[in-house]
Parts: sequence; structure tokens; C-alpha cells
Amino acid sequence: AQKVTQAQTEISVVEKEDVTLDCVYETRDTTYYLFWYKQPPSGELVFLIRRNSFDEQNEISGRYSWNFQKSTSSFNFTITASQVVDSAVYFCALTNTNAGKSTFGDGTTLTVKP
Amino acid sequence: GAVVSQHPSRVICKSGTSVKIECRSLDFQATTMFWYRQFPKQSLMLMATSNEGSKATYEQGVEKDKFLINHASLTLSTLTVTSAHPEDSSFYICSAIAGWGNYGYTFGSGTRLTVV
Repeated sequence: AQKVTQAQTEISVVEKEDVTLDCVYETRDTTYYLFWYKQPPSGELVFLIRRNSFDEQNEISGRYSWNFQKSTSSFNFTITASQVVDSAVYFCALTNTNAGKSTFGDGTTLTVKP
Repeated sequence: GAVVSQHPSRVICKSGTSVKIECRSLDFQATTMFWYRQFPKQSLMLMATSNEGSKATYEQGVEKDKFLINHASLTLSTLTVTSAHPEDSSFYICSAIAGWGNYGYTFGSGTRLTVV
């Protein structure tokens, strides 16, 4: 069975602060994908990043960065210099490569105040 | 590429009626599509896996007679909520696989169903 835990239910920061969203996962598979999605109030899922289980290289994309540590089964997401437009619910997800099913964490609601 | 269109985006229906939601892959052939449900302030839960030309596989606890899934072509899967009740009000979202390894990118924009 797969499980994704996002321990932070809600986070509130002031604009320009850095914020890290935690994600811890459990799986027996040796091959899998990890994702982060943003869900604004309108509801659609916005893809942010995909990481293959074999690729532990950290990634930076503009103000976003991701830290994948297989040893601790964590895939944390950091927003640098947060902006009000970053306010949304963020989901971490684990996808089984055999069946393609995704298991989502409960989400973290990020509120960035001006 | 790999765009998934979901229609309608919002629907309000009366209790007891049926509602059909469409999920289309616009620029690729999707052999497999997934249907998820999200209740307010909750996570997305997989309801069923839809394979083209075969019966859908439902997750435990999901009523297959209530949530009818049809995947008649490589670009279209439909979810029909039959005899809808207020407790079926939710956000339904589909996902499609474009090929092996191409998972998770391609979600539809979701359908918000309200049953009154």
C-alpha cells in the first residue's frame, strides 16, 4: 500500500518569506514517481514537478525548489520569497509506475499575506 | 501536448437525476484514464481506473452501479453519476495516461457537481 503524508495542514506566511512544505511517503515499490501539484481556489490541478525515484537530484525552478531524499522518504517543496499568488492548496502525490495510480497527500493550505 | 479536457466544469442537478461527465484526451491517445473525487477541504481519492474497451476497475468502497464509467474510445472516458443525491456533491477530476511512464501530468480541469 502507498501512503503520502503532508503533516502541515495549514501554513500562513507573510509575503517575501520563504516557506517549506513537507511531504513524506511510503511505498514498497522500487520504482515510482513523486509529484507536487498546486490547486488554486478554482479547483484545477496545476502540475509543478515530477521526480523519478531513481533521480535524487534536487531541482530549482525560479522561486521553487525541491529536495528529494530517498533515505528519509521525503520530497519537500520550498518556495523562496513567497508571493500572494502562491496562496493555494499544495498536494504531494506518489504514482505507481505499474498501474499509474496516484496516491495524494491530504494537502497543505498555504496562505501568503501581503 | 498531453492536454485533457473535462466537461462540464460545473453542474447543478436535482436529486434523483443522472449526470454525465466527459474526459477527453485532446492530442494523444489515452489507453487508461483515472477518475478521482475530492470532497471539500479533503484530498483526492481514486475512484476507478478506466481502460479503453474493457470494464472499469473500481476502488474499494466505490459503488460501480452508481458511478458508471465508459471508456469507449482512446480519447474519451465518461463518468455517469446515476440517481445523484446531495452526498454525491463533490469535485470530480480525471487523469489520463499518454504512454508508459507519462503519468500524472495530465489532469482534467475538474467538474464541480452540486446535487440539490
